[in-house]
Amino acid sequence: AQSVTQLGSHVSVSEGALVLLRCNYSSSVPPYLFWYVQYPNQGLQLLLKYTSAATLVKGINGFEAEFKKSETSFHLTKPSAHMSDAAEYFCAVTVFSGGYNKLIFGAGTRLAVHP
Amino acid sequence: GAVVSQHPSWVICKSGTSVKIECRSLDFQATTMFWYRQFPKQSLMLMATSNEGSKATYEQGVEKDKFLINHASLTLSTLTVTSAHPEDSSFYICSPSYTDTQYFGPGTRLTVL
Repeated sequence: AQSVTQLGSHVSVSEGALVLLRCNYSSSVPPYLFWYVQYPNQGLQLLLKYTSAATLVKGINGFEAEFKKSETSFHLTKPSAHMSDAAEYFCAVTVFSGGYNKLIFGAGTRLAVHP
Repeated sequence: GAVVSQHPSWVICKSGTSVKIECRSLDFQATTMFWYRQFPKQSLMLMATSNEGSKATYEQGVEKDKFLINHASLTLSTLTVTSAHPEDSSFYICSPSYTDTQYFGPGTRLTVL
């Protein structure tokens, strides 16, 4: 069954530093993978998605992620962190079950950005 | 585009009462609706899936008689938490889907006293 695992429930970086949030997937078929961001008490905002086209996916707010089949990874990166990037980040994979394509989420990684 | 609203954004109720949460897709028609629950500091857990006009399909462990889902139109779905108890306190998020893309509502914070 398809699933995603996010390594590190908390990540703390300095403003201006590289952001790296890790996500590994498990899938018996080519996966569709997503990264979402959630600010406190809000819904989810799509950052980017991989749907079997280019392996390097660019998203909003300067984020990008690279699909690496050999490593079963889809890590999220941003070259330079801003204070406004502090939020909860979720990696997700599409699972076909019960006649539907459903999004299944990882446990989430809380990103803290300090001055 | 792809604006989703939920109402109410937060609600406090007494134990034993029922609460209805509305989810509307404002500028698109959602063929499929997903409802998620998120406990504090945890991930989103899928509760159920429904197509417009059809009965919802519930995930394992989710009581269908407790969480009533109505997807009467392509722009409106409701989740009713019946006989709510404190353990039902959570953040409920709807996710209407259009052309295989899931969009997310802003969420409803339910607190049961």
